[in-house]
Amino acid sequence: KAGVTQTPRYLIKTRGQQVTLSCSPISGHRSVSWYQQTPGQGLQFLFEYFSETQRNKGNFPGRFSGRQFSNSRSEMNVSTLELGDSALYLCASSLVAGDNTGELFFGEGSRLTVL
Amino acid sequence: AQSVTQLGSHVSVSEGALVLLRCNYSSSVPPYLFWYVQYPNQGLQLLLKYTSAATLVKGINGFEAEFKKSETSFHLTKPSAHMSDAAEYFCAVRFSGSARQLTFGSGTQLTVLP
Repeated sequence: KAGVTQTPRYLIKTRGQQVTLSCSPISGHRSVSWYQQTPGQGLQFLFEYFSETQRNKGNFPGRFSGRQFSNSRSEMNVSTLELGDSALYLCASSLVAGDNTGELFFGEGSRLTVL
Repeated sequence: AQSVTQLGSHVSVSEGALVLLRCNYSSSVPPYLFWYVQYPNQGLQLLLKYTSAATLVKGINGFEAEFKKSETSFHLTKPSAHMSDAAEYFCAVRFSGSARQLTFGSGTQLTVLP
């Protein structure tokens, strides 16, 4: 069974640009969550999508957005990039049905560098 | 506010020695608890999880953790460290009412000395 796939793995952008990151969950998983990991702030929750609807959102500005498609794949977008957006963005999928533990399965992440 | 605290951002042990990584959480309602490991340039891999079935949880690679409600702790242990255990370890908590959102501790970097 394939794991969570994130693309691209590495990317470099400049301030003011926007970026879109993609995540394909494990087959059968219907929930996708996104986390930002930085040395200073650690792992912080961005948002969660389930059935193409945002279910939960962390404390991030509106420049951070996401969506989920009918096949459960998800994208997140960051507009007007700032230097502080440099981070590892982790996507995680969860089974939902029949699972009440909320166990998350993580991808390898997309490392964004903003210059 | 609900929080997760990992004591010690860096822990060093000798190969073959006991590994003890500490995690405390703030909640009066026992939550779901997880330990994840992260190797360089990789995502997070689940080591083990507590889901109220048993207080002593065994995970992969010889790790185990004990849930102590009275101490609101979920410390991770391994009897004998191996060089391959060197990585960063994260304690994560799913608090009641938070759906599938996990709150992570700040992480503990484990170094294993030869």
